[in-house]
Amino acid sequence: GDSVTQMEGPVTLSEEAFLTINCTYTATGYPSLFWYVQYPGEGLQLLLKATKADDKGSNKGFEATYRKETTSFHLEKGSVQVSDSAVYFCALSDGMTTDSWGKLQFGAGTQVVVTP
Amino acid sequence: NAGVTQTPKFQVLKTGQSMTLQCAQDMNHEYMSWYRQDPGMGLRLIHYSVGAGITDQGEVPNGYNVSRSTTEDFPLRLLSAAPSQTSVYFCATSKGGTGNYEQYFGPGTRLTVT
Repeated sequence: GDSVTQMEGPVTLSEEAFLTINCTYTATGYPSLFWYVQYPGEGLQLLLKATKADDKGSNKGFEATYRKETTSFHLEKGSVQVSDSAVYFCALSDGMTTDSWGKLQFGAGTQVVVTP
Repeated sequence: NAGVTQTPKFQVLKTGQSMTLQCAQDMNHEYMSWYRQDPGMGLRLIHYSVGAGITDQGEVPNGYNVSRSTTEDFPLRLLSAAPSQTSVYFCATSKGGTGNYEQYFGPGTRLTVT
């Protein structure tokens, strides 16, 4: 079945440092890929997405590129702020059937802590 | 628009009690899902619905029941609570249709079973 693997946390960084969170996936077909962010005590918010190979999703200074050859969707940000402290989830939807449109497969999540 | 709302925000149950977690959406989305979030395990799908009157099981359905009588509401019932059901529960919706796979999440219900 489909699966998502992302690097374990916590990842601790200083403000203005470069952030990378690795995400790799296993899926049949051509899945859509997502990054969600969860701030403390809140639900998940969609951060960015990519729906086909070589697509680059971007939002709020974060970027991720859909690499089919390496089955990866790594999240990057060039200069993090304290407000970026959160848990980040990589997820996929295979989209192969109408039934799959109501489900996402998530990675375990990576906690990011940014210190001043 | 309120988006996806969940009630209650917090709940404590004793083992064997039953309860219903409420989820409502005003986004007119056909697809609704329930997930549980446990440390180190990401989110796991409990049940989902592809439209009013249609539900199906996800990865971890045991001990939970759902029904969907309207597009807007998708309640999750715990039949006889167990400590293993201590978790944070999220309801999510998606529009469906080709390319519309992203889900929108409610704020969650934190459940403790003692």
